[in-house]
Formats: sequence, structure tokens, C-alpha cells
Amino acid sequence: DTEVTQTPKHLVMGMTNKKSLKCEQHMGHRAMYWYKQKAKKPPELMFVYSYEKLSINESVPSRFSPECPNSSLLNLHLHALQPEDSALYLCASSQGDIYNSPLHFGNGTRLTVT
Amino acid sequence: AQSVTQLGSHVSVSEGALVLLRCNYSSSVPPYLFWYVQYPNQGLQLLLKYTTGATLVKGINGFEAEFKKSETSFHLTKPSAHMSDAAEYFCAVSSLERGYNKLIFGAGTRLAVHP
Repeated sequence: DTEVTQTPKHLVMGMTNKKSLKCEQHMGHRAMYWYKQKAKKPPELMFVYSYEKLSINESVPSRFSPECPNSSLLNLHLHALQPEDSALYLCASSQGDIYNSPLHFGNGTRLTVT
Repeated sequence: AQSVTQLGSHVSVSEGALVLLRCNYSSSVPPYLFWYVQYPNQGLQLLLKYTTGATLVKGINGFEAEFKKSETSFHLTKPSAHMSDAAEYFCAVSSLERGYNKLIFGAGTRLAVHP
């Protein structure tokens, strides 16, 4: 069982919908990440939160809006997405104060934009 | 800048045969290196990591990797493949940042195991 929990597992949304992806971890990690993964490709970093503050935004379009309500939770708010945004969205966490701390990944949310 | 190159997007082996997945890295500082595995419809699972110390690193499921600085390589091996090893494997190098670990992934290698 993964220690990073993502909900929902699958999501189908229209281009005018607003939805949110949720991620939760209880390992005491202080860094949390959102990745996007297209089929047959490696994960691409979208956002990094470190100690609940946004540290990296990899030039992600504003239709993706991250939120870190507390050290255990990470959300990704979606609005006015495009079909090309269909992908597997992965959440991950790591110890924030250790450079070589590996990332722990959730099983992802499979998003389909129609 | 740091980067990772995985040689061979697809590798096919027979059950019981040696598994060798190749990874070369580029880094201007001593690297931290990782291997992850991804099974269908799942997230990434850490197989093993190299930070400092022993250059031969043992991981889960019988996998190991050897850090070779002179060759800038971190190849993943397993003596005897099982059908359950069929998956996508990613090599990654860590970009040292304060407060988080920014991973730079290779393109991935899909391992197929046939009877």
C-alpha cells in the first residue's frame, strides 16, 4: 500500500468544469510535489511545496492552481482544462530538510478531459 | 546542469535471464541517484538509491545498481528475471535544492519478460 493517498483515482471532466485533485500523506514529510505524466513518458514536475510554501512553479498554465492547506495535504484545482491536459497526475512527498530524501509517490489520478 | 540518459527504451529478456538496464548521468556535483519502477496504472516506487558510501547499492525485489564515477553510470541489474518484473523503469538524478528534492528523470526503459 502506498503511503501517499490520491483521490479520485479516475476523473472525467468537460472543458468548462471545475474539479480538484487531492493528495494526503502522514509521514511527516515537509515537501510535496505535483507531477504530470503522459503515456510512455517520464513524470514532468509541475509544482513543489516546501514547508507549505510554493517553491517551484514550472511555468504551468494558470488553469492549474495548487494549494497546500497544511503539511499533510496538497490539492490541485482544475478549471477550463484542454483535452491535451489529459494525463496521469502524480503526487509525491519527501523529507524537506534532507537533500537526498527519495520521493514517495501516490498511485495517481487518471484525468480525462472531454 | 544535471541530466540522465537511459540507453534502450525497450528491453526484453527471458524469465530467469539477467536483467541489465543502463543509466548514464551528467552532473557537475557529486550526484544522488535513484531508480524507480512503475507498474501499469500505478505510481512510481523506489527501487534503490545512491547517495554516498558503498558504490554497490542493493534494493528491493532483488535489484542492485553500481555507481561508477569514472563511467558516469548507474546501471540496474537483477541476476534472474521474473515475470512480475515487467514494468517501466526510471533512472533519476537529484538536483540539490534547499527544502526539497528536485528529481530529473530519464526517459524510461520498458522491461518485458517472456517465458
